[in-house]
Amino acid sequence: DQQVKQNSPSLSVQEGRISILNCDYTNSMFDYFLWYKKYPAEGPTFLISISSIKDKNEDGRFTVFLNKSAKHLSLHIVPSQPGDSAVYFCAARFTGTASKLTFGTGTRLQVTL
Amino acid sequence: EPEVTQTPSHQVTQMGQEVILRCVPISNHLYFYWYRQILGQKVEFLVSFYNNEISEKSEIFDDQFSVERPDGSNFTLKIRSTKLEDSAMYFCASSRQTTEAFFGQGTRLTVV
Repeated sequence: DQQVKQNSPSLSVQEGRISILNCDYTNSMFDYFLWYKKYPAEGPTFLISISSIKDKNEDGRFTVFLNKSAKHLSLHIVPSQPGDSAVYFCAARFTGTASKLTFGTGTRLQVTL
Repeated sequence: EPEVTQTPSHQVTQMGQEVILRCVPISNHLYFYWYRQILGQKVEFLVSFYNNEISEKSEIFDDQFSVERPDGSNFTLKIRSTKLEDSAMYFCASSRQTTEAFFGQGTRLTVV
């Protein structure tokens, strides 16, 4: 039961360009969404989050957009840098739970020179 | 910057043996979690812990698993009788509120 889906397993972007990573969810009870970045053999690193009461949150080069009617969120990275190359996971949380996160399957981003 | 620390980084154990994975959450955090990632699969929730008790657990977290916060700093995951399919990366996480969770570097558990 994939409640959080990342349909693109990989993405390649040139350095300096915009990276757009997408995530879809099926459960309308999710009220908080997060993006994590993960390098091999390391734990997920928190990047940015957004509450369901907002449609945009920005932090430096990272912006997350939420479209509740479409049950879709996206992470924009601009400008992309080689150090951004990693696997990006979208995660979602239900109201009222102690922050149990449901993760997507991840998108591997490769930023090329 | 405070971080979640996990030990050991890699644990190899024989099938049927008990293992204890250890975590030191961030000191002012109140919520603690274990997740795991089987190779090539997504990160899966195992259990959350708040106020010295389990607040939620997944179907994966059966009677073979237990968690404990034996003192004010450590948070442990015990697997009583390991199976081959328990081989995975196990991640501990903590959060101050029920929002962003911060993850440790993980323990790679290999059951042979």
